[in-house]
Amino acid sequence: AQKITQTQPGMFVQEKEAVTLDCTYDTSDQSYGLFWYKQPSSGEMIFLIYQGSYDEQNATEGRYSLNFQKARKSANLVISASQLGDSAMYFCAMRRNSGNTPLVFGKGTRLSVIA
Amino acid sequence: DTGVSQDPRHKITKRGQNVTFRCDPISEHNRLYWYRQTLGQGPEFLTYFQNEAQLEKSRLLSDRFSAERPKGSFSTLEIQRTEQGDSAMYLCASSLSGNSNEQFFGPGTRLTVL
Repeated sequence: AQKITQTQPGMFVQEKEAVTLDCTYDTSDQSYGLFWYKQPSSGEMIFLIYQGSYDEQNATEGRYSLNFQKARKSANLVISASQLGDSAMYFCAMRRNSGNTPLVFGKGTRLSVIA
Repeated sequence: DTGVSQDPRHKITKRGQNVTFRCDPISEHNRLYWYRQTLGQGPEFLTYFQNEAQLEKSRLLSDRFSAERPKGSFSTLEIQRTEQGDSAMYLCASSLSGNSNEQFFGPGTRLTVL
């Protein structure tokens, strides 16, 4: 079974600073994918970034980067130059690549950006 | 195409009533997923379709829940004899086949069972 753990229920960051949201995962699969989603107060889930288990380089998408440490089974999200609009819930998720299974989500971290 | 749409956005019902939700995925997406999200939790998988075939159902999907995707396009999720524990946000997502393809989520249907 797959499991995602997000140990930070809430985080605060000053505007324009960088912040790291933690995510650890547990799986016995060799091939899997890791995802981060943002959920603003309006409720929609917005895809941010993807990392495949065999990708050698850390994924980056604009101000988002994923710090992937396979041996530690961690996939932390780094947001650089935080903006007020980054305030939201952030969910880490994973899926097994064989069999194209659905996503397994963590409980999320609520990020609050302070002006 | 403007994305995944869900209808209704909000539903209030009395315990014991049946409810049905609809999801329209992004048109070229062959995969469609249903998730349930309760307060303070991440989404939990319920079921998914590839085209019209329902490929997997979670243990969360009791006999009171049924989902269909009759022509491989839109999908419906029906809950019979609703219970207060069914109160949640029901999220629909769609994607293309492929390991790295992200799932695009709809705005959700918030169900409140009184």
